[in-house]
Amino acid sequence: AQRVTQPEKLLSVFKGAPVELKCNYSYSGSPELFWYVQYSRQRLQLLLRHISRESIKGFTADLNKGETSFHLKKPFAQEEDSAMYYCALSGNTDKLIFGTGTRLQVFP
Amino acid sequence: ETGVTQSPTHLIKTRGQQVTLRCSSQSGHNTVSWYQQALGQGPQFIFQYYREEENGRGNFPPRFSGLQFPNYSSELNVNALELDDSALYLCASSIQGGQFFGPGTRLTVL
Repeated sequence: AQRVTQPEKLLSVFKGAPVELKCNYSYSGSPELFWYVQYSRQRLQLLLRHISRESIKGFTADLNKGETSFHLKKPFAQEEDSAMYYCALSGNTDKLIFGTGTRLQVFP
Repeated sequence: ETGVTQSPTHLIKTRGQQVTLRCSSQSGHNTVSWYQQALGQGPQFIFQYYREEENGRGNFPPRFSGLQFPNYSSELNVNALELDDSALYLCASSIQGGQFFGPGTRLTVL
């Protein structure tokens, strides 16, 4: 079965602390993995895709095929990072399968 | 270049009614996907259209149907509305991966 699991509904950290948002997936094949972010009162937007291997707003994510994980990391959280984060995968079509999301709260 | 737009923003219907939601793709994008996002859940794939043809469907009943027009805009139609259809409906357009989402239409079924 194709599935994306985000085990944490809520992650709270203080400004400057490291952040790791967990994502595990189940897919028979070679999926493409994404992180989407939704800031308050804004639309869902693409943050990262694993094939780009880039850092956006200080966030990085590495695909670990052995552990079937695609965790999102940032070494020093900022207050403006507070948002809802969704991990998603796509297979051989553009269809996206989303996790249930993790709300990140960064306190000053 | 304009982003993905959706109309209406909010909609209230009663059980058994029919609803049509609309989506305008980002300029140049020929693929449109629709998702349903229930409260506290991630978006769930409904179906996708590529150049006016359905190109994949999720686990939704036939009363969920769609259209894509020559200008790549799209409609989502839902017949015989049920209470559980209350959700945020998202449209996303793409051309080669990396979907771009609209702001969504909030549907409430009473």
